[in-house]
Amino acid sequence: KNEVEQSPQNLTAQEGEFITINCSYSVGISALHWLQQHPGGGIVSLFMLSSGKKKHGRLIATINIQEKHSSLHITASHPRDSAVYICAVRGAAGNKLTFGGGTRVLVKP
Amino acid sequence: DAGVIQSPRHEVTEMGQEVTLRCKPISGHNSLFWYRQTMMRGLELLIYFNNNVPIDDSGMPEDRFSAKMPNASFSTLKIQPSEPRDSAVYFCASSIDRDYGYTFGSGTRLTVV
Repeated sequence: KNEVEQSPQNLTAQEGEFITINCSYSVGISALHWLQQHPGGGIVSLFMLSSGKKKHGRLIATINIQEKHSSLHITASHPRDSAVYICAVRGAAGNKLTFGGGTRVLVKP
Repeated sequence: DAGVIQSPRHEVTEMGQEVTLRCKPISGHNSLFWYRQTMMRGLELLIYFNNNVPIDDSGMPEDRFSAKMPNASFSTLKIQPSEPRDSAVYFCASSIDRDYGYTFGSGTRLTVV
């Protein structure tokens, strides 16, 4: 079993729809990251969370440490949100990230 | 700041040749990471440095892979000899410390034929 599991693997939405991506992990962590990778390949760090909730524009990330679960929400989705979203956790010690398999999101106009 | 700079962007080489990938982290960042991304295995950590010292190289596949960080502004990942299964996108990332996020370079797409 992978240490970091994401669901769904693929998601297709219509423009304007609310999107939720889930991430579950099985190890103790000091922080959780959400990353975005566009078709061109570049990786952008969206959020780093250790508790609670963060919001940036139409993106909201939440984490429940007790349940070892995080969600990334996209409100009013837009075709430019089409990308792969990757969850990564940093262990309790050190600076190493372990990655989920990614969720491929396609937003249709 | 220009961000994390990787070179080359693309590299095509023949099996058996030596390949050197380069990374310039963001000035002031004290941690540097090398990752590999393939369709089969996703993103994997190869090695990371803290203050130019290798901290965890457990992800380095085998002795054909080596990484150095001679100073705070430069790192190399070398594969010698290269094999077709090394074909992947190699990302370099840097961070300032544990409480901040990571900045990724644009990656080097390596194809070994």
